[in-house]
Amino acid sequence: DTGVSQNPRHKITKRGQNVTFRCDPISEHNRLYWYRQTLGQGPEFLTYFQNEAQLEKSRLLSDRFSAERPKGSFSTLEIQRTEQGDSAMYLCASSRGGFTGELFFGEGSRLTVL
Amino acid sequence: DQQVKQNSPSLSVQEGRISILNCDYTNSMFDYFLWYKKYPAEGPTFLISISSIKDKNEDGRFTVFLNKSAKHLSLHIVPSQPGDSAVYFCAASRRGGADGLTFGKGTHLIIQP
Repeated sequence: DTGVSQNPRHKITKRGQNVTFRCDPISEHNRLYWYRQTLGQGPEFLTYFQNEAQLEKSRLLSDRFSAERPKGSFSTLEIQRTEQGDSAMYLCASSRGGFTGELFFGEGSRLTVL
Repeated sequence: DQQVKQNSPSLSVQEGRISILNCDYTNSMFDYFLWYKKYPAEGPTFLISISSIKDKNEDGRFTVFLNKSAKHLSLHIVPSQPGDSAVYFCAASRRGGADGLTFGKGTHLIIQP
């Protein structure tokens, strides 16, 4: 069990640029989640995959955000035309099917938009 | 509108004493509640959970109590140890987690020697 892996760990970009984050979940987990956390707040749900199907999307996920999980394994989260308000920690989590509530989180990817 | 509220941003407790962290929720559709612990530069880690059909769940030094009528849950840590110093997040879910977890803002627990 190697845990949930996210990269890059930190990304600094200029406003208007596109960024992409990758998440590799625990191998036997078929559920994958993306969350966003800003300073002083708890993680906020963005989207959820069951295998390769994106089943839920938060209204926080504007049309500049897109997430994929093409083969039901790793996932990518792309942010187009970044804005300063996108600066946050982006957390990925995975879990087994049959929800028990226990999500295994990665260490996160911190985005700084200048 | 915050559906899960942790009204104490921080809590300081002496080592060996009991730590009590509180959480309130507003959405009566929540049916599963969890506590996560987070150290700096790490992702949150699952600590303990409780289903809405129960009022108590215990795991070692950690006990979670649920009061559905008051829409309140609490996490008790006895005895508190220095390694318990971390940010604790209360979280809730509904519909088997299909909407993900809704987290509170967290409480920073500081265990003093």
